[in-house]
Amino acid sequence: RKEVEQDPGPFNVPEGATVAFNCTYSNSASQSFFWYRQDCRKEPKLLMSVYSSGNEDGRFTAQLNRASQYISLLIRDSKLSDSATYLCVVIGSGGSYIPTFGRGTSLIVHP
Amino acid sequence: EAQVTQNPRYLITVTGKKLTVTCSQNMNHEYMSWYRQDPGLGLRQIYYSMNVEVTDKGDVPEGYKVSRKEKRNFPLILESPSPNQTSLYFCASKRQGWQYEQYFGPGTRLTVT
Repeated sequence: RKEVEQDPGPFNVPEGATVAFNCTYSNSASQSFFWYRQDCRKEPKLLMSVYSSGNEDGRFTAQLNRASQYISLLIRDSKLSDSATYLCVVIGSGGSYIPTFGRGTSLIVHP
Repeated sequence: EAQVTQNPRYLITVTGKKLTVTCSQNMNHEYMSWYRQDPGLGLRQIYYSMNVEVTDKGDVPEGYKVSRKEKRNFPLILESPSPNQTSLYFCASKRQGWQYEQYFGPGTRLTVT
């Protein structure tokens, strides 16, 4: 089983839709979690950290479920500019702070 | 401005011709890392460094070398490039500690013919 798994998609949604991605991780000792956004052939950029209590940033909501070992990203009112690949990142298992990346979920928002 | 820089951004070279891709960060980060990204395979870690003079192999280290003589720089060396090293390369850095996010350079697109 991979350490961090994501559905590669693509998720193809119309503008205005709500879409959710999940990311599962295998190591229950993992400490911190992030969502990154990557546009085609560009560098990944931090979208948001994921806190235990869940957090929201505008149209984006991130949740952590430690019992089931997954994190989620919810995007409301999708925009064309949200089209990108969303990478899940898990850090901090076994005392290490080396990030582990999922392969990413592709989102395509169409008019 | 806090940033990670990479040079060159684009490079076309021939098999066997040694090359170096430079990476520099101005955030005083302890941890630096190199990744390659290929279609359908996601980001794969090549080498990482926890601090000066401390480097370790990632998932795909074959054919690559690194050094960390200064905290800010982490060059990636291809002693004898081959066509299967054609890829998009990213350098990244972060503060040590699990709570900190990683920052990426803009990427280097390498083609080996």
